[in-house]
Amino acid sequence: QVQLQESGPGLVKPSQTLSLTCTVSGGSISSGSYYWSWIRQPAGKGLEWIGRIYTSGSTNYNPSLKSRVTISVDTSKNQFSLKLSSVTAADTAVYYCARTSGAARNAFDIWGQGTMVTVSS
Amino acid sequence: QSVLTQPPSVSGAPGQRVTISCTGSSSNIGAGYDVHWYQQLPGTAPKLLIYGNSNRPSGVPDRFSGSKSGTSASLAITGLQAEDEADYYCQSYDSSLSGGVFGTGTKVTVL
Repeated sequence: QVQLQESGPGLVKPSQTLSLTCTVSGGSISSGSYYWSWIRQPAGKGLEWIGRIYTSGSTNYNPSLKSRVTISVDTSKNQFSLKLSSVTAADTAVYYCARTSGAARNAFDIWGQGTMVTVSS
Repeated sequence: QSVLTQPPSVSGAPGQRVTISCTGSSSNIGAGYDVHWYQQLPGTAPKLLIYGNSNRPSGVPDRFSGSKSGTSASLAITGLQAEDEADYYCQSYDSSLSGGVFGTGTKVTVL
């Protein structure tokens, strides 16, 4: 059974780069036709899709964040990562990694537990 | 930024039926893209509840059902139970964003 686990610093200073990693267990990140996404949720607010990477390495990003976001994959470590540059307090949120599966008609069928990131000096 | 609109809250007594609407546009739901629904219990990650407009993943009770028509979709919960108290989000694909979009979220309260 595939599971996802986010990891990374819980505190980032303003103007710096937020870096998170999602480790995939119970299956290979490069097997099958899956997209691997990052989604965030500020406290008390809704969900925002940040971007995704395909197993081939191709990416799509939310236009509102595109200039600051980079998503990459490391198949040797069975991980994919998020980098968000020039962060401000508005980037404070719980960050989730999730899998999109064709078998689930491209729904986010598996989610990590989420990791809280606070942007503060 | 949410481009799918949901009512902020709905409520019902145990055993009743409640519905949650999700209104989109011609670049997402109206373009024929699938709608999915997620349940988020307090302090936990969202969980897939309905995929492909009306399909339930294994383990999801048949009290939950989904439908889609035009630029809107709906989630129905019949036989409401205390454990259904949670936030619910719809989600689709938007061609203008080339990515996923979520609804504004609806809090379900069991009276």
